[in-house]
Amino acid sequence: GIQVEQSPPDLILQEGANSTLRCNFSDSVNNLQWFHQNPWGQLINLFYIPSGTKQNGRLSATTVATERYSLLYISSSQTTDSGVYFCAVRFSGGGADGLTFGKGTHLIIQP
Amino acid sequence: EPEVTQTPSHQVTQMGQEVILRCVPISNHLYFYWYRQILGQKVEFLVSFYNNEISEKSEIFDDQFSVERPDGSNFTLKIRSTKLEDSAMYFCAGAGLAAYNEQFFGPGTRLTVL
Repeated sequence: GIQVEQSPPDLILQEGANSTLRCNFSDSVNNLQWFHQNPWGQLINLFYIPSGTKQNGRLSATTVATERYSLLYISSSQTTDSGVYFCAVRFSGGGADGLTFGKGTHLIIQP
Repeated sequence: EPEVTQTPSHQVTQMGQEVILRCVPISNHLYFYWYRQILGQKVEFLVSFYNNEISEKSEIFDDQFSVERPDGSNFTLKIRSTKLEDSAMYFCAGAGLAAYNEQFFGPGTRLTVL
């Protein structure tokens, strides 16, 4: 079936470390977004990246659509980066209009 | 920068009661969505709305749920008779001119059913 899988499920790092979060998806997509869910539950848009590479400060993302995966890179982690990171896709094969979310990566940055 | 707003931020209700969750999407958006997130779980799609009608709904969106855009600005989700398992965070989202455009989410309404 249609799936979005994220890894790792949990990640604990020291402040200053770098991290790579992965999102695999099972079919072709026309939308892929990365979100950060903050402690208040809000979903913060990080990247809209159905293909290619983007950078925003310490964060960058790459989607290789032909190989059905996306990576989110966080460099020089800060404690405020803690939270859950979700990948979400919209499959282009005529499925639901809405985004299908992965289960997320729970990131904890320790001081 | 325009943003999606939702009210209330937190609603507590008794089982069996009706609730209406409200959203004001970004003004130039054409596609609207509701999602829910049960505590500790992933975000799940409920329904999409375009051109004043439902364009897609998930298996979760049963007869207890309805959506409408009564005045061209507000976008509402109604749950007719709430159940304990409806307790969740409900997110409204919108997208621009095409369904595959970036979706922007509101801050959510946390619904607690007692």
